[in-house]
Amino acid sequence: NAGVTQTPKFQVLKTGQSMTLQCAQDMNHNSMYWYRQDPGMGLRLIYYSASEGTTDKGEVPNGYNVSRLNKREFSLRLESAAPSQTSVYFCASSEEVPYEQYFGPGTRLTVT
Amino acid sequence: RKEVEQDPGPFNVPEGATVAFNCTYSNSASQSFFWYRQDCRKEPKLLMSVYSSGNEDGRFTAQLNRASQYISLLIRDSKLSDSATYLCAVTLNQAGTALIFGKGTTLSVSS
Repeated sequence: NAGVTQTPKFQVLKTGQSMTLQCAQDMNHNSMYWYRQDPGMGLRLIYYSASEGTTDKGEVPNGYNVSRLNKREFSLRLESAAPSQTSVYFCASSEEVPYEQYFGPGTRLTVT
Repeated sequence: RKEVEQDPGPFNVPEGATVAFNCTYSNSASQSFFWYRQDCRKEPKLLMSVYSSGNEDGRFTAQLNRASQYISLLIRDSKLSDSATYLCAVTLNQAGTALIFGKGTTLSVSS
Protein backbone atom coordinates (compact mmCIF):
# COMPACT_ATOMS: atom_id res chain seq x y z
CA ASN A 1 0.00 0.00 0.00
CA ALA A 2 1.94 3.02 -1.27
CA GLY A 3 -0.64 5.65 -0.23
CA VAL A 4 -0.22 8.80 -2.34
CA THR A 5 2.62 8.89 -4.85
CA GLN A 6 3.88 11.86 -6.86
CA THR A 7 6.23 12.20 -9.79
CA PRO A 8 8.64 13.76 -10.34
CA LYS A 9 10.26 14.55 -6.98
CA PHE A 10 12.27 17.45 -8.38
CA GLN A 11 12.00 19.51 -11.55
CA VAL A 12 13.69 22.57 -12.97
CA LEU A 13 11.93 24.41 -15.77
CA LYS A 14 12.71 27.47 -17.82
CA THR A 15 10.13 30.22 -18.03
CA GLY A 16 7.50 29.35 -20.63
CA GLN A 17 8.04 25.60 -20.55
CA SER A 18 5.18 23.27 -19.73
CA MET A 19 5.01 20.18 -17.59
CA THR A 20 2.58 17.84 -15.87
CA LEU A 21 2.85 16.72 -12.27
CA GLN A 22 1.46 13.26 -11.68
CA CYS A 23 -0.34 12.00 -8.60
CA ALA A 24 -1.83 8.61 -7.84
CA GLN A 25 -3.45 7.09 -4.75
CA ASP A 26 -4.22 3.49 -3.94
CA MET A 27 -6.56 4.05 -0.99
CA ASN A 28 -9.74 4.10 -3.10
CA HIS A 29 -10.40 7.68 -2.01
CA ASN A 30 -12.99 9.74 -3.81
CA SER A 31 -11.46 13.18 -3.34
CA MET A 32 -8.07 14.45 -4.46
CA TYR A 33 -6.33 17.79 -4.08
CA TRP A 34 -3.39 19.82 -5.29
CA TYR A 35 -1.67 22.30 -2.98
CA ARG A 36 1.34 24.51 -3.23
CA GLN A 37 3.44 25.44 -0.23
CA ASP A 38 5.60 28.54 -0.12
CA PRO A 39 7.60 29.95 2.79
CA GLY A 40 5.39 32.13 4.98
CA MET A 41 2.27 31.32 2.96
CA GLY A 42 1.34 27.91 4.25
CA LEU A 43 -0.52 25.35 2.17
CA ARG A 44 -2.71 26.88 -0.51
CA LEU A 45 -5.26 24.87 -2.46
CA ILE A 46 -4.85 25.05 -6.23
CA TYR A 47 -7.54 22.64 -7.47
CA TYR A 48 -9.47 19.75 -6.08
CA SER A 49 -11.61 16.93 -7.35
CA ALA A 50 -14.43 15.87 -5.05
CA SER A 51 -15.08 12.76 -7.12
CA GLU A 52 -14.10 11.17 -10.38
CA GLY A 53 -15.21 13.37 -13.25
CA THR A 54 -15.37 16.62 -11.30
CA THR A 55 -12.80 19.33 -10.65
CA ASP A 56 -13.07 22.69 -8.92
CA LYS A 57 -10.83 25.68 -8.43
CA GLY A 58 -9.23 26.35 -5.09
CA GLU A 59 -7.61 29.48 -3.75
CA VAL A 60 -4.84 29.89 -6.35
CA PRO A 61 -5.84 28.22 -9.66
CA ASN A 62 -4.40 30.75 -12.13
CA GLY A 63 -1.71 29.28 -14.37
CA TYR A 64 -2.72 25.68 -13.69
CA ASN A 65 -5.00 23.04 -15.15
CA VAL A 66 -5.95 19.66 -13.76
CA SER A 67 -7.25 16.36 -15.01
CA ARG A 68 -8.92 13.67 -12.93
CA LEU A 69 -7.93 10.80 -15.18
CA ASN A 70 -9.71 8.14 -13.14
CA LYS A 71 -10.41 7.48 -9.49
CA ARG A 72 -6.73 6.87 -8.75
CA GLU A 73 -5.01 9.64 -10.70
CA PHE A 74 -5.12 13.43 -10.56
CA SER A 75 -2.62 15.43 -12.60
CA LEU A 76 -1.63 19.09 -12.45
CA ARG A 77 -0.42 20.88 -15.58
CA LEU A 78 1.56 24.07 -15.91
CA GLU A 79 1.03 25.27 -19.47
CA SER A 80 3.59 28.10 -19.43
CA ALA A 81 5.70 28.07 -16.31
CA ALA A 82 6.56 31.33 -14.56
CA PRO A 83 9.11 32.02 -11.78
CA SER A 84 6.17 32.73 -9.43
CA GLN A 85 5.27 29.05 -9.72
CA THR A 86 8.48 28.01 -8.03
CA SER A 87 7.16 26.07 -5.07
CA VAL A 88 6.65 22.70 -3.45
CA TYR A 89 3.56 20.97 -4.80
CA PHE A 90 1.68 18.43 -2.73
CA CYS A 91 -1.07 16.11 -3.82
CA ALA A 92 -3.50 14.75 -1.23
CA SER A 93 -6.50 12.46 -1.11
CA SER A 94 -9.37 11.83 1.28
CA GLU A 95 -12.58 9.97 1.77
CA GLU A 96 -15.57 12.27 1.76
CA VAL A 97 -16.02 11.87 5.47
CA PRO A 98 -14.26 12.58 7.82
CA TYR A 99 -12.15 14.50 5.33
CA GLU A 100 -8.80 13.51 6.77
CA GLN A 101 -6.33 14.13 3.99
CA TYR A 102 -3.26 12.07 3.23
CA PHE A 103 -0.41 13.70 1.40
CA GLY A 104 2.11 12.59 -1.17
CA PRO A 105 5.83 13.32 -0.74
CA GLY A 106 5.73 16.47 -2.87
CA THR A 107 7.36 17.81 -6.01
CA ARG A 108 9.95 20.58 -5.67
CA LEU A 109 9.64 22.77 -8.74
CA THR A 110 12.00 25.57 -9.67
CA VAL A 111 11.23 27.86 -12.59
CA THR A 112 14.16 29.95 -13.79
CA ARG B 1 -9.51 37.92 9.93
CA LYS B 2 -7.84 34.93 8.28
CA GLU B 3 -9.84 31.72 8.19
CA VAL B 4 -7.40 29.70 10.26
CA GLU B 5 -4.72 31.34 12.36
CA GLN B 6 -1.82 29.95 14.32
CA ASP B 7 1.02 31.50 16.26
CA PRO B 8 4.00 30.80 13.97
CA GLY B 9 6.43 30.52 16.88
CA PRO B 10 9.05 29.24 17.01
CA PHE B 11 8.45 27.59 20.32
CA ASN B 12 11.82 26.60 21.79
CA VAL B 13 11.49 24.19 24.71
CA PRO B 14 13.77 21.78 26.57
CA GLU B 15 13.24 18.05 26.53
CA GLY B 16 10.57 17.01 28.99
CA ALA B 17 8.66 20.27 28.79
CA THR B 18 4.95 20.59 28.18
CA VAL B 19 3.97 22.84 25.31
CA ALA B 20 0.60 23.93 23.97
CA PHE B 21 -0.43 25.35 20.63
CA ASN B 22 -3.66 27.09 19.79
CA CYS B 23 -5.38 27.52 16.48
CA THR B 24 -8.36 29.82 15.88
CA TYR B 25 -10.84 29.48 13.05
CA SER B 26 -13.29 32.05 11.74
CA ASN B 27 -16.12 29.98 10.26
CA SER B 28 -18.47 28.84 12.99
CA ALA B 29 -19.93 26.24 10.59
CA SER B 30 -16.67 24.28 10.61
CA GLN B 31 -17.30 20.66 11.49
CA SER B 32 -14.07 18.69 11.47
CA PHE B 33 -10.69 19.59 12.87
CA PHE B 34 -7.24 18.07 12.56
CA TRP B 35 -3.65 18.48 13.61
CA TYR B 36 -0.91 17.65 11.13
CA ARG B 37 2.82 17.40 11.68
CA GLN B 38 5.27 18.47 9.00
CA ASP B 39 8.98 17.76 9.19
CA CYS B 40 11.43 19.90 7.28
CA ARG B 41 11.19 19.26 3.53
CA LYS B 42 8.58 16.55 4.02
CA GLU B 43 4.86 16.25 3.47
CA PRO B 44 2.29 17.00 6.20
CA LYS B 45 1.27 13.89 8.08
CA LEU B 46 -1.94 13.49 10.02
CA LEU B 47 -1.20 13.60 13.73
CA MET B 48 -4.70 13.40 15.11
CA SER B 49 -8.30 14.38 14.57
CA VAL B 50 -9.91 16.65 17.14
CA TYR B 51 -13.19 15.51 18.57
CA SER B 52 -15.74 17.58 20.44
CA SER B 53 -15.07 15.74 23.67
CA GLY B 54 -11.32 16.10 23.31
CA ASN B 55 -9.01 13.21 22.62
CA GLU B 56 -5.66 11.92 23.69
CA ASP B 57 -3.02 9.85 21.95
CA GLY B 58 -0.10 9.09 24.21
CA ARG B 59 1.66 12.35 25.02
CA PHE B 60 -0.60 14.34 22.71
CA THR B 61 -3.95 15.84 23.71
CA ALA B 62 -6.23 17.74 21.36
CA GLN B 63 -9.19 19.84 22.42
CA LEU B 64 -11.92 21.78 20.69
CA ASN B 65 -13.63 24.88 22.01
CA ARG B 66 -16.54 25.66 19.70
CA ALA B 67 -17.75 28.65 21.68
CA SER B 68 -14.42 30.44 21.29
CA GLN B 69 -13.67 28.81 17.93
CA TYR B 70 -10.28 27.37 18.65
CA ILE B 71 -8.56 24.03 18.83
CA SER B 72 -5.51 23.23 20.89
CA LEU B 73 -2.72 20.68 20.91
CA LEU B 74 -0.88 19.82 24.11
CA ILE B 75 2.39 17.90 23.99
CA ARG B 76 3.62 16.51 27.28
CA ASP B 77 7.14 15.30 28.05
CA SER B 78 8.54 16.75 24.82
CA LYS B 79 11.08 14.69 22.91
CA LEU B 80 13.77 15.85 20.50
CA SER B 81 11.84 13.99 17.81
CA ASP B 82 8.81 16.24 18.37
CA SER B 83 10.67 19.09 16.68
CA ALA B 84 8.58 19.91 13.61
CA THR B 85 5.95 22.30 12.32
CA TYR B 86 2.41 21.63 13.51
CA LEU B 87 -0.45 22.57 11.20
CA CYS B 88 -4.06 22.80 12.18
CA ALA B 89 -6.78 22.23 9.60
CA VAL B 90 -10.56 22.70 9.57
CA THR B 91 -13.31 21.80 7.17
CA LEU B 92 -17.00 22.46 6.69
CA ASN B 93 -17.65 18.75 6.04
CA GLN B 94 -19.68 19.61 2.98
CA ALA B 95 -19.27 17.47 -0.12
CA GLY B 96 -16.73 19.02 -2.41
CA THR B 97 -15.09 21.23 0.18
CA ALA B 98 -11.49 21.03 1.18
CA LEU B 99 -9.46 21.45 4.34
CA ILE B 100 -8.30 24.93 5.25
CA PHE B 101 -4.88 24.92 6.83
CA GLY B 102 -3.20 27.30 9.18
CA LYS B 103 0.35 28.35 8.36
CA GLY B 104 1.77 26.21 11.12
CA THR B 105 3.59 26.56 14.42
CA THR B 106 7.23 25.58 14.61
CA LEU B 107 8.43 23.62 17.62
CA SER B 108 12.06 23.10 18.46
CA VAL B 109 12.90 20.77 21.34
CA SER B 110 16.45 20.92 22.64
CA SER B 111 18.47 18.70 24.98
